[in-house]
Amino acid sequence: GAVVSQHPSRVICKSGTSVKIECRSLDFQATTMFWYRQFPKQSLMLMATSNEGSKATYEQGVEKDKFLINHASLTLSTLTVTSAHPEDSSFYICSAKGGFEQYFGPGTRLTVT
Amino acid sequence: RKEVEQDPGPFNVPEGATVAFNCTYSNSASQSFFWYRQDCRKEPKLLMSVYSSGNEDGRFTAQLNRASQYISLLIRDSKLSDSATYLCVVNDFQKLVFGTGTRLLVSP
Repeated sequence: GAVVSQHPSRVICKSGTSVKIECRSLDFQATTMFWYRQFPKQSLMLMATSNEGSKATYEQGVEKDKFLINHASLTLSTLTVTSAHPEDSSFYICSAKGGFEQYFGPGTRLTVT
Repeated sequence: RKEVEQDPGPFNVPEGATVAFNCTYSNSASQSFFWYRQDCRKEPKLLMSVYSSGNEDGRFTAQLNRASQYISLLIRDSKLSDSATYLCVVNDFQKLVFGTGTRLLVSP
């Protein structure tokens, strides 16, 4: 099946710093990518939908100025968590839409200390 | 009310057992339905789509009841490797909405 990579897989940062997470579709072009967040023992929650070359669409309650999304090419979307706080610690997962199916990246575990 | 509701479990079953998971969804306009599997600290992986006519993939059978807004997954002859969290997922206008998952533990 199609492959989606994320980098880094794990990151620890200090409160107040910014962290960038990359999501790449390796063997297909993805006009649409999605960013999810999953807290322990909770479901994946969609944060935003990212379309190549246009502004991301954020879900209700997700601060667009805090979670900056850039989808500059058909194979790369980035999520930057700005001024991270401990409550932003979570598992961030991207997915890329190829045809009718969504393919998920392996996730990035963010810990903010 | 959550958009997609599942019993979190865990369901503890012995190898070889048959186990069934249920899921309900609130949006009657939901368009398509899936079961995903998620292993601990990993991304979700598509297990199977769910159709009104019911569909089977090996030991796995999925069923959708649109009238009752109810989805089920049946696993026959459970294997140790089936231990995971099973996520009920609903496609609402091109967005995937995930349930919290049902945890399955298959023991020897």
